Parts: sequence; structure tokens; C-alpha cells
Amino acid sequence: SQQGEEDPQALSIQEGENATMNCSYKTSINNLQWYRQNSGRGLVHLILIRSNEREKHSGRLRVTLDTSKKSSSLLITASRAADTASYFCATANQAGTALIFGKGTTLSVSS
Amino acid sequence: EAQVTQNPRYLITVTGKKLTVTCSQNMNHEYMSWYRQDPGLGLRQIYYSMNVEVTDKGDVPEGYKVSRKEKRNFPLILESPSPNQTSLYFCASSSALAYRSYNEQFFGPGTRLTVL
Repeated sequence: SQQGEEDPQALSIQEGENATMNCSYKTSINNLQWYRQNSGRGLVHLILIRSNEREKHSGRLRVTLDTSKKSSSLLITASRAADTASYFCATANQAGTALIFGKGTTLSVSS
Repeated sequence: EAQVTQNPRYLITVTGKKLTVTCSQNMNHEYMSWYRQDPGLGLRQIYYSMNVEVTDKGDVPEGYKVSRKEKRNFPLILESPSPNQTSLYFCASSSALAYRSYNEQFFGPGTRLTVL
């Protein structure tokens, strides 16, 4: 069962541009996480934002959270070719027993 | 180095031949989980474990077994693999969880399984 759904499914940009990905979820949350996956490899944790936070920064990453709309966005500024990857949001499932990932946004950054 | 290891990384097998994919973490994490990843379907949880001797089904447990006899290890067992279990498998772990609140999960490098 999918909890988070990312949008868009795919995004292609040029190096130096900003990339924005969105995530919607269904139930109330304590926190929301974003992960990156390079092709065929394990997921890497990027950032965690708590339900009482509205915005969080980590290097070139900026995450926002709107609990009233049950949505989050991930902004990558000044994209690089190395940012090419799939990005997933993750939240707890309704039962609170597992972390559930969305289907991801595939980002392609060309030089 | 803090890490989650999986073995084997690649495996080609035939229908019905029992196999085990091992997963081990060195971070003393309580929570461990197995996922499979398929094109168009994303990551789906197979089984998870909140602690030693505590395991439970995820979204797609059919055809799989797990055990958690030690805190660091969480093997995935396919008793009789079938072609629809061809997939990319990931093990993950994280520190103790509060209800509905999950800490950062650390992922293994993945095991690409092909069942002929």
C-alpha cells in the first residue's frame, strides 16, 4: 500500500537549474523522510522533517512540509549531473508499523 | 564503518531451489526490514522485524520467510522460488522506533535475483 506519492514521475533539467519534487501522503505523520537512489543501488537517506517543522535545509536541499495539505516538497538547487537519481519520500503507514515509500521521481540532470 | 551488508549481490537460480539472502547490520539497530523493488511498482515491504524474535508481514510476504534470531542478522528465505520473485531486493535497518515515527533507515547495496 502506497502512503507517499511523488510528482512528477520523471524530471529532466540542465545542470545549474533547480529541481522540485513533490510528495503527497494520506495519513497523519510524525515525520517524513526523503531518500535518493542511484540506478540499481541502495537508497540513501537525505533528510528528515518532523511534523512540527515547516522547512528544513541541508546543503543544496530544501524540504518543506505542509501537514494541512498532507504534502511535502524537495528542492535541489543548482543541480549537478551527479544529482541524477530517483528520489523517494517515505512516511509511516496507517498502522504505524512500517515505513512506506512512494514510487519515486526520476531526476535526470544533463550537462 | 556503519553499514548494512547483503549477500549475495547477484544470484541466478532455478524454480523451486531454496535460497537464502543474508542481511547483517553493525549498528545495533532494533528495526530491520526487507523490500523488493520492481519497475513501476516501487519499493514494497516484504517483512519487517521490530526486534529479536519479533517479525511481521509487510505488503508482499507471500513466498518468503524471515527469521531474527540475532539482533544483527535478518535473512530472507525463499523456500521455493518462482519466476515472479525475480526482483531487486533490499535489506534496511534503523534504530528503535516510536509508534508512527521512524528514524533514518540504512539500506544494503541490494541483491539482484533472477529465477528461471
